[in-house]
Amino acid sequence: GENVEQHPSTLSVQEGDSAVIKCTYSDSASNYFPWYKQELGKRPQLIIDIRSNVGEKKDQRIAVTLNKTAKHFSLHITETQPEDSAVYFCAARSHFRKGTYKYIFGTGTRLKVLA
Amino acid sequence: GAVVSQHPSRVICKSGTSVKIECRSLDFQATTMFWYRQFPKKSLMLMATSNEGSKATYEQGVEKDKFLINHASLTLSTLTVTSAHPEDSSFYICSARGLAGERDTQYFGPGTRLTVL
Repeated sequence: GENVEQHPSTLSVQEGDSAVIKCTYSDSASNYFPWYKQELGKRPQLIIDIRSNVGEKKDQRIAVTLNKTAKHFSLHITETQPEDSAVYFCAARSHFRKGTYKYIFGTGTRLKVLA
Repeated sequence: GAVVSQHPSRVICKSGTSVKIECRSLDFQATTMFWYRQFPKKSLMLMATSNEGSKATYEQGVEKDKFLINHASLTLSTLTVTSAHPEDSSFYICSARGLAGERDTQYFGPGTRLTVL
């Protein structure tokens, strides 16, 4: 079945440094890739997404890159701040029935930004 | 916009009882709602996908008779955990995908923490 692998599982960076989280998906038909940030006990919040017709997207300190050939996509956070500390999930949208999709999530990355 | 509510936020029940969790899209119509289960410090595991007016599609390994899903309207889906047992204790989160606008995006509810004694 469809699968999304995410690395690393934990990541500690110094405040101001960059953080990179990588995901690999298995379904070559996936065409939408969102990233979510989840703080402890709270709901996942969409922070950025990318569609398969685009190779890169940036929103202030956050950027996502997509390599369709390799089925890789990555999240880049620059100038990290303590409030960036959270668990980050990547996801890939898979089509499983006409007009219907489901989202397969990666295993999550616990990011800790050290002040 | 795009607010999803979930009720209750926490529930504690005795083993053998059934628990119903509601998921509502408050300011948009949701063609599709998803139910996930999340264990502590783990990822979101998709349980089922439901479209309004049709039967839910369950992921492999998820018992449809145990986790009853009803998507009666474009703004409401319910998950009923029947004959709950301690191993069903978990964090259950729903999400909804809209009809118009950002159709790719799914919006999550705040989750329901179920504890079965």
